[in-house]
Amino acid sequence: NAGVTQTPKFQVLKTGQSMTLQCAQDMNHNSMYWYRQDPGMGLRLIYYSASEGTTDKGEVPNGYNVSRLNKREFSLRLESAAPSQTSVYFCASSSRGIGGVGNYGYTFGSGTRLTVV
Amino acid sequence: DAKTTQPTSMDCAEGRAANLPCNHSTISGNEYVYWYRQIHSQGPQYIIHGLKNNETNEMASLIITEDRKSSTLILPHATLRDTAVYYCIVRALTGTASKLTFGTGTRLQVTL
Repeated sequence: NAGVTQTPKFQVLKTGQSMTLQCAQDMNHNSMYWYRQDPGMGLRLIYYSASEGTTDKGEVPNGYNVSRLNKREFSLRLESAAPSQTSVYFCASSSRGIGGVGNYGYTFGSGTRLTVV
Repeated sequence: DAKTTQPTSMDCAEGRAANLPCNHSTISGNEYVYWYRQIHSQGPQYIIHGLKNNETNEMASLIITEDRKSSTLILPHATLRDTAVYYCIVRALTGTASKLTFGTGTRLQVTL
């Protein structure tokens, strides 16, 4: 049972380059999320997808785009990378629910460590 | 979602109970209290959640005060592997997606 899988685990980009971070979950979860974590900081929400076919902006969406390819996959794209986007990126998924039995919160991937030089 | 306040850091001796407090004085009636932890640079891990009753699972216990304005996460017998940053989060589970908002958490250091 893989849970949430993120690729790549590490990446170095030059300023202005583009790349796509991949995320896939095998838990049949409806909702998926992208967070970034800067050193010594908490996680900040970039984008999320409540269900297949929908995406919404989070707290820090500028400079990013997302695609909910299907129920399993949610990708994050940096069109023109900047040094300020150096961070650790976490993907997460959750089942849709209203609390109580069956709602066990989010499952996170192991992260992608991105450095933009 | 309601804001939470946690101490920046705490120490605990291995084998002893670790009690991590969280203040959420502006919590609404439909908001749950969630706890996550992040070990080193791994992805956060769900620990436990509750609404108003105390909860216990294989990892921890959650004690919520009667007025729900604060809570305590209890790790009954802390080990070195429990060294991590612990996040207390409150959120309402309404709408089509339930978003978690992370603060800076409490850095728990378990020592020999």
